Amino acid sequence: DIQMTQSPSTLSASVGDRVTITCRASQSVVVWLAWYQQKPGKAPKLLIYKTSGLESGVPSRFSGSGSGTEFTLTISSLQPDDFATYYCQQSNSYPWTFGQGTKVEIK
Amino acid sequence: QVQLQESGPGLVKPSQTLSLTCTVSGGSISSGSYYWSWIRQPAGKGLEWIGRIYTSGSTNYNPSLKSRVTISVDTSKNQFSLKLSSVTAADTAVYYCATEDSGTFDYWGQGTLVTVSS
Repeated sequence: DIQMTQSPSTLSASVGDRVTITCRASQSVVVWLAWYQQKPGKAPKLLIYKTSGLESGVPSRFSGSGSGTEFTLTISSLQPDDFATYYCQQSNSYPWTFGQGTKVEIK
Repeated sequence: QVQLQESGPGLVKPSQTLSLTCTVSGGSISSGSYYWSWIRQPAGKGLEWIGRIYTSGSTNYNPSLKSRVTISVDTSKNQFSLKLSSVTAADTAVYYCATEDSGTFDYWGQGTLVTVSS
């Protein structure tokens, strides 16, 4: 299985901050990397597909980049609604696997 | 817009079979637009992909669960189902059904908590 490792596990930030979350794969996933946002008690929500594709309806402050084994999710200006847990997920090879999550907390 | 709703028992005894159904609305499960997937999340932990099925009945399973998992589809009811046999406490989790397009999970159900306990 491809192991996905996110860093940091927890991030404390303030409204308006630029936030970057990193996701590293144990082997290349090419560009087959997605990002999800999950709030407590809710299902995950797709933010980014295929490394940098912005899902319809997702604010443009979210962006993704990377290739191979290293990827980043950037929130350009953190908003109150963005405090949540973020997961990366690879779909280059079975089984599809997720990172352990990064919780973005209010500083 | 596709909507998904999980249903099934919230409590399953150890060694028994967990059975869940996902009902699809707002679209036909036979459309061929998606794979239909199951994902689970133990409390306070991360997400684990269980497996998926296509309209044709073709399946892919996570090898870690493959010996215990069966996913099936009922196009007449616009539903797909999950069966997980020989459950233990480690299978206690919120179970989600979701659509999958090119390896990405677009639409999710709200999730259903299944507790394995005697």
